[in-house]
Formats: sequence, C-alpha cells, structure tokens
Amino acid sequence: GQQVMQIPQYQHVQEGEDFTTYCNSSTTLSNIQWYKQRPGGHPVFLIQLVKSGEVKKQKRLTFQFGEAKKNSSLHITATQTTDVGTYFCAGGGSQGNLIFGKGTKLSVKP
Amino acid sequence: DGGITQSPKYLFRKEGQNVTLSCEQNLNHDAMYWYRQDPGQGLRLIYYSQIVNDFQKGDIAEGYSVSREKKESFPLTVTSAQKNPTAFYLCASSIPGTGGRQPQHFGDGTRLSIL
Repeated sequence: GQQVMQIPQYQHVQEGEDFTTYCNSSTTLSNIQWYKQRPGGHPVFLIQLVKSGEVKKQKRLTFQFGEAKKNSSLHITATQTTDVGTYFCAGGGSQGNLIFGKGTKLSVKP
Repeated sequence: DGGITQSPKYLFRKEGQNVTLSCEQNLNHDAMYWYRQDPGQGLRLIYYSQIVNDFQKGDIAEGYSVSREKKESFPLTVTSAQKNPTAFYLCASSIPGTGGRQPQHFGDGTRLSIL
C-alpha cells in the first residue's frame, strides 16, 4: 500500500540551531499535511500544501512541497524549547484518508 | 467549545476482555477516524467513517470493531482477538474531502494497557 517515509526519526539540537525533517513517498501525493504532537499530547494540524513546488511559512517554520509532489520538508530556523515535540507529515491517500509518516521527534537543549 | 472528547483517558483490560473506547465530537464533522500510536510507529489507521452508518477498514483493523450510528459518535471496540492492544488510541474528525485534503482534529487520546 501507499507509504510515507519520514527522516530522521530523532533529532537533538542546541537551542538556536536549525532543524529539518523530510518526507518521501513512492507515489504522487494529492497534498501533504504537517502536524505537531507535544509530549503527552495529541497531534495538532499545522499546515497543508497542495500545489507542486509550493512553499509556505509560519514565523520560523518553512514548509515545502516538491515539484513532483512526492516529497516535502519542514524547516525550523533558530529552534526554541517550545519547538519540542514530534512532527508528522501526512499525505493524501487514494481512498480519501491520510497516510502518516512515522514522525521526527525533536528535542531542544537550552 | 467545539472539540473531540475521548474517554476514558486511561483504560486497563484483562486478558480475554473486550473494551470500548468512546469518541464524541461536536464539530459537526461527517468524517471520523481511529488511529493507533505505538512508540516509533507513528499513526496507523484502524477504521474510518466518512458518513453515518458507513465505515471502512484501515491498515490494521484486525481485532477491532466500530459503529457509526450517530454523526457525533464513533466508538471503537478492542476485542479479545487483538493480541497486542497496549497502545495510545487517537480519535480524529474532519470535513470529508477527496484524497484526505481536509485537516484532521484529534482528541486527547486513550491509553490502553493490559493487566
């Protein structure tokens, strides 16, 4: 079935360093969504990308959707301790559902 | 406040028992979903429902059952056939959309453990 691969699984950074997580699919995705799950919490929707090559920004977060609509990335500039959590990408599936990557767990050392 | 309510927050099951996890939403969403989350495994889809009285199996439906008799409610039963039920269960809802194009709103989850 359809799969969305996400790397790295873990990332430890010093506060102020940048962070990037990547998603890849073997099939073309109709869209990609990004979610953040704080420790002990539930996933919270961050953003959706639909167009080929689309780039969106939310303050220090930059989201990209690849030209072939098979990959995506989330980049955080100058991480803060409030960025701690697990970041998931999720691609639109052929059956109207979302296919989630396994997530990247970010820890930030102050 | 609109949202999704899952109960209980923690649930313990004895071997051979069926247990039912509750999920209620007042967001007026047609679509509802159940996911299982294990450490390092991300979110895996158990069942989903795009409309009342209809639901489909997800990737890991074996050992689980659902019903969708009301728009607001989508309970999940973990049956004794599920051999490894210890996990964090998340319920979500959304406006129906093709190709999963609608954001999903999640409840706080239920943590199920085997005694």
